[in-house]
Amino acid sequence: NAGVTQTPKFRILKIGQSMTLQCTQDMNHNYMYWYRQDPGMGLKLIYYSVGAGITDKGEVPNGYNVSRSTTEDFPLRLELAAPSQTSVYFCASSYSKAGAPKETQYFGPGTRLLVL
Amino acid sequence: KQEVTQIPAALSVPEGENLVLNCSFTDSAIYNLQWFRQDPGKGLTSLLLIQSSQREQTSGRLNASLDKSSGRSTLYIAASQPGDSATYLCAVTISGGYNKLIFGAGTRLAVHP
Repeated sequence: NAGVTQTPKFRILKIGQSMTLQCTQDMNHNYMYWYRQDPGMGLKLIYYSVGAGITDKGEVPNGYNVSRSTTEDFPLRLELAAPSQTSVYFCASSYSKAGAPKETQYFGPGTRLLVL
Repeated sequence: KQEVTQIPAALSVPEGENLVLNCSFTDSAIYNLQWFRQDPGKGLTSLLLIQSSQREQTSGRLNASLDKSSGRSTLYIAASQPGDSATYLCAVTISGGYNKLIFGAGTRLAVHP
């Protein structure tokens, strides 16, 4: 299993440009997440999905959009990039079953984004 | 609002030392607590997960404890090695309809030969 894969690894954007960060998992996990990590800080949740076709906002959703058309893929879209979106973006996935203990999340290697 | 704090923010120790990383959280209503390791340019790797009903978990040279009533967890690393150098993140899972993780800012550990 490749686990959680993310592309690209690094990207430079100009202010106002748009881009899509790709995330794919091959573990058949139902839950997927997008986080951002700013320097010296913990991770903050942007969006999450509990299954194909179902997404919802996390703590810091402004300026981002997501979709989940398949179990495996969970792309994150940045519209009109701003310098405040300079960060490292992590995708994660987990399996959750009602009534069962919460399981760990598996993280991708991250995408480093610089907006100039 | 749940907040997670990690102390110290950075730590530098000589190889072979036993060390303790601290994590505190403000709300004891958690499902579990996890310790993650983060290497530069890489994602997070889960080291230990302690369910709310448990008191500790061990894996090799790592031991993590959980005291829900006081809102504290410690990660104990025995006989530290240069390969342990990384950032260690603590996170709690709280209720909210999904597996919501609240992260601390991390402790940056450097183990020098």
